[in-house]
Amino acid sequence: KAGVTQTPRYLIKTRGQQVTLSCSPISGHRSVSWYQQTPGQGLQFLFEYFSETQRNKGNFPGRFSGRQFSNSRSEMNVSTLELGDSALYLCASSRDREDEKLFFGSGTQLSVL
Amino acid sequence: AQSVTQPDIHITVSEGASLELRCNYSYGATPYLFWYVQSPGQGLQLLLKYFSGDTLVQGIKGFEAEFKRSQSSFNLRKPSVHWSDAAEYFCAVGSNFGNEKLTFGTGTRLTIIP
Repeated sequence: KAGVTQTPRYLIKTRGQQVTLSCSPISGHRSVSWYQQTPGQGLQFLFEYFSETQRNKGNFPGRFSGRQFSNSRSEMNVSTLELGDSALYLCASSRDREDEKLFFGSGTQLSVL
Repeated sequence: AQSVTQPDIHITVSEGASLELRCNYSYGATPYLFWYVQSPGQGLQLLLKYFSGDTLVQGIKGFEAEFKRSQSSFNLRKPSVHWSDAAEYFCAVGSNFGNEKLTFGTGTRLTIIP
């Protein structure tokens, strides 16, 4: 069974641009969570999607948004990029809302210049 | 709200020596507890989990962890480390009732010396 796939693997953007990251969960998994990882803040929860609906949201500004499609694939978008948005963005899937066993992708490394 | 503390930021261990990584949690009920490992530039891989039952849980790669409710701890152990164990290790607590599925500790970076 294929794991969680995140694309692209690396991204370089400049301040003010926007970016879209993609995540394909493990087949059969319906819940997708996104985390931001930085050396200073560690792993911080962004949001969780289940059945195309955002179920939970972390403490991030509105520039961070996401969505989930009917096939459970998810995208997250960051608009008006800031230098501080440079991070590894990790997507994780789980079977359903109540399943806390998360399977992580390799992440998208975003660098904002 | 739940929280996780990993008091050791960085640990150095000789190859073949035993290892214990500390994790303390704060949670109002019986927690779901996890250990994940992350190699540089990679995602997180689940090593083991505790939901209920036997307080000593076995994981992959020869790791084990013991849940101690009285100490609010879930320490990760390995009797003999290998150079390939060098990585960052994260403890996490889960909740069906919290905002996020998993709350992570800040991680412990493990260095292995020959």
